[in-house]
Amino acid sequence: AQSVTQPDIHITVSEGASLELRCNYSYGATPYLFWYVQSPGQGLQLLLKYFSGDTLVQGIKGFEAEFKRSQSSFNLRKPSVHWSDAAEYFCAVQTGANNLFFGTGTRLTVIP
Amino acid sequence: SQTIHQWPATLVQPVGSPLSLECTVEGTSNPNLYWYRQAAGRGLQLLFYSVGIGQISSEVPQNLSASRPQDRQFILSSKKLLLSDSGFYLCAWSLRAGGTDTQYFGPGTRLTVL
Repeated sequence: AQSVTQPDIHITVSEGASLELRCNYSYGATPYLFWYVQSPGQGLQLLLKYFSGDTLVQGIKGFEAEFKRSQSSFNLRKPSVHWSDAAEYFCAVQTGANNLFFGTGTRLTVIP
Repeated sequence: SQTIHQWPATLVQPVGSPLSLECTVEGTSNPNLYWYRQAAGRGLQLLFYSVGIGQISSEVPQNLSASRPQDRQFILSSKKLLLSDSGFYLCAWSLRAGGTDTQYFGPGTRLTVL
């Protein structure tokens, strides 16, 4: 069965520091992978997605993610975090039409 | 461009009362529509999805129901709310393209059942 694991419930980084949020998935075939961001009390905004091709995917707000099939991972990175990046981040895997499975999220706190 | 609306933004209801949450999409036709629930400290759980008018698939058995009376309108309902229905309800839409689709989410409705 498919599943998504985000092992870090909460991460705190200093503004200007680099960031990596981990995501591991379990799925037998090639997945479609997504990262969404949710600001407090808001809906989810799509950051980036991977369907095929180049395994390094660029997204909005300076984020990127790398698909590593051998590690079943799709980690999200940003070289320099801004205070406005404080939010909750969700990794998701799509295994077919209408089947989008989310991780439990990672809450990012940015300290000045 | 496409936009998705949800209302109300927040709602406080007593246990046993009915519920109606509405979601509408603008700028597209024949979208797939979804209802998710996000409980406090947990991820998103898919409740219902619809691929067309009157076509509803339920993912989780519960006291909620969904309807799609128009192409771009999706409604989440309950006849009698339970305490466990409290949460953040998100509507999403997508369009099939090449066998894949990307879901785009609305702003959500915060429901508190007392």
